[in-house]
Amino acid sequence: DVEMTQSPLFLPVTLGQPASISCRSSQSLVYSDGNTYLNWFQQRPGQSPRRLIYQVSNRDSGVPDRFSGSGSGTDFTLQISRVEAEDVGVYYCMQATHWPPWTFGQGTKVEIK
Amino acid sequence: QVQLVESGGGLVKPGGSLRLSCAASGFSFSAYYISWIRQAPGKGLEWVAYITGGGSTMYYAESVEGRFTISRDNAKKLVYLQMNSLRAEDTAVYYCAKGRFLDDLDYWGQGALVTVSS
Repeated sequence: DVEMTQSPLFLPVTLGQPASISCRSSQSLVYSDGNTYLNWFQQRPGQSPRRLIYQVSNRDSGVPDRFSGSGSGTDFTLQISRVEAEDVGVYYCMQATHWPPWTFGQGTKVEIK
Repeated sequence: QVQLVESGGGLVKPGGSLRLSCAASGFSFSAYYISWIRQAPGKGLEWVAYITGGGSTMYYAESVEGRFTISRDNAKKLVYLQMNSLRAEDTAVYYCAKGRFLDDLDYWGQGALVTVSS
């Protein structure tokens, strides 16, 4: 199984400042079609997860453009350019290249300082 | 709009059984696979089971293989998760989520809580 490792696990941020979350996979996430199937999910307190980013860097409909994804191979990053209060929650990366199983990172909890 | 609504959660004793349902609306149901993903209290996300749009292929996490069965009724737009031989470590919120090949888990339901305790 592909192991997904996120860092940090806890991220206190100041409103209006940038934030960055790292996700590393135990093997390359490049699929046979040349694409990379790495997704990011946001889970706000008391809510179900919501997909933010698919295929490393594509924002889902309705996702603010302050969220961006980047990376390749085994190293990926989710960046928030200017954190807002509504961004508080837990963020998960998930690989969808080598399945089953689909595997998630441990989650990174974002809180406001 | 897309909706996935889980039901059937509750309190069950160790060794018992429970069946969760996931009711879908707002999209072409049979064109999408459905996965179940669970989240133990205060913990992260764990993929549990998957079924293709036509219902011909299923996959399970090792932790539930042989105890859980996923199925679907496309006429009723329902997906089921039959959970047998339940253990305390199966206690979690269970989410259903839809996806297509290489476009995974784009929408999730609100979840159903399953508590396994004597």
